[in-house]
Amino acid sequence: GAGVSQSPSNKVTEKGKDVELRCDPISGHTALYWYRQSLGQGLEFLIYFQGNSAPDKSGLPSDRFSAERTGGSVSTLTIQRTQQEDSAVYLCASSLGRSRVLSEQYFGPGTRLTVT
Amino acid sequence: AQSVTQLDSHVSVSEGTPVLLRCNYSSSYSPSLFWYVQHPNKGLQLLLKYTSAATLVKGINGFEAEFKKSETSFHLTKPSAHMSDAAEYFCVVSEGDYGGATNKLIFGTGTLLAVQP
Repeated sequence: GAGVSQSPSNKVTEKGKDVELRCDPISGHTALYWYRQSLGQGLEFLIYFQGNSAPDKSGLPSDRFSAERTGGSVSTLTIQRTQQEDSAVYLCASSLGRSRVLSEQYFGPGTRLTVT
Repeated sequence: AQSVTQLDSHVSVSEGTPVLLRCNYSSSYSPSLFWYVQHPNKGLQLLLKYTSAATLVKGINGFEAEFKKSETSFHLTKPSAHMSDAAEYFCVVSEGDYGGATNKLIFGTGTLLAVQP
C-alpha cells in the first residue's frame, strides 16, 4: 500500500522567506510526527499529533516553526523567516497510535530544505 | 530522560565477516528500542524493534539485536556482512505512552557502516 509521502522533495529558498512542507501519512494512522535531520544536530523530534489531542510541540526549535494537521490526516510544517541554520532534511512519520503495541513509525522520504 | 549512545561513528568490515554496531541506552521507564537503517539518499527503514517481549530480536536482512537490561545495551549484529549492508544505522529509544509520553523517537548519532569487498 501507499507509504508516507512528503512534498516537495527538495526546496531551495532565500533567507527570510516562509516555506511550507507537506506530509501525507499512511491512511488510518492517527499519530503523525515531524523530525529534522541536520549535520549539526542529527535526527531530532519536532512535533507530534495524535488524533484530536493537543499536539506536543516540545521539539520545535523556535516560534518561527509551526505545524498543523487538518482533518486528522495531512499535515503542514511552516517555517517563517527562514534562516540558514534551518537547512536540513525534514522527515515525517506516522503510526497507528502512540501505545507501545502500535508504536512502529513509518517514515516518509523527507523534504530537503536549503536556505541560501 | 531517555537517550541513546552509539559508541562508534564509523565501522568498517569485510564482506562475509560479522557486523557489530554498539548501542547503550538510558531510560527512566521500560523502553522500546529500535534500529533503523538509512541508505544513501533513501528514507529511514525499520530493521527491528524491542518492546518488552523476547530479549533477542530478529529483524530484516539477517540482522538481530539483544536487549540486555543489566548492561543497558541493545547492540546490533549480523553474522555475515553483505555489500548492500553499507548504510547508516541509528539506534533509537522511545518510552511509548508511559506517563503520558508521546512515543517520540530519540535517535542516536548514527553509525556509518562500510563494507569492503
